[in-house]
Amino acid sequence: QKEVEQDPGPLSVPEGAIVSLNCTYSNSAFQYFMWYRQYSRKGPELLMYTYSSGNKEDGRFTAQVDKSSKYISLFIRDSQPSDSATYLCAMDGTGTALIFGKGTTLSVSS
Amino acid sequence: EAGVAQSPRYKIIEKRQSVAFWCNPISGHATLYWYQQILGQGPKLLIQFQNNGVVDDSQLPKDRFSAERLKGVDSTLKIQPAKLEDSAVYLCASSRPRDEQYFGPGTRLTVT
Repeated sequence: QKEVEQDPGPLSVPEGAIVSLNCTYSNSAFQYFMWYRQYSRKGPELLMYTYSSGNKEDGRFTAQVDKSSKYISLFIRDSQPSDSATYLCAMDGTGTALIFGKGTTLSVSS
Repeated sequence: EAGVAQSPRYKIIEKRQSVAFWCNPISGHATLYWYQQILGQGPKLLIQFQNNGVVDDSQLPKDRFSAERLKGVDSTLKIQPAKLEDSAVYLCASSRPRDEQYFGPGTRLTVT
């Protein structure tokens, strides 16, 4: 079993839809949970950052962590064409290096 | 604040050839990372530096990959000899200790 599992999609939604992206993980020692957004031919950029369990909201984005289920989610409200990208979940490994999921490719059509 | 710089952006080589990638981190960032991102996969850590010392190189294929960070600033990642399976995007990231990692645009390597 891989440490971090993420459905690669692709996921296609119309503009204005609510998008739900998810990851599961196996290592209960993970404490920091992140979502990165990666546009084509660019490096990943940090979108959301959560420590331990709970919810965090930033504008149209909400990140949820359920450590009891080893499950994290990213919700995007009122999705826009500019949200079309690959979304990568990431968690802290040993030290400060990150362990990434495969990424989910999202396409939002206008 | 200038971002992480990487060069070249693209490189095509034949298998068994050698190649080198360069990274200039954000000024003041002591921690530097090299990740390998194969198409359809998330980035995988190859090596992590703290200043000019290696913190983690457990996933670096040391028979063909090498990296250095002289003077604790710029870094170079080398592959010699390259294999077909080395085709990937090589991402450099930098951060302050235990802080957000900032990624460069990556170098896209194709090995034919």
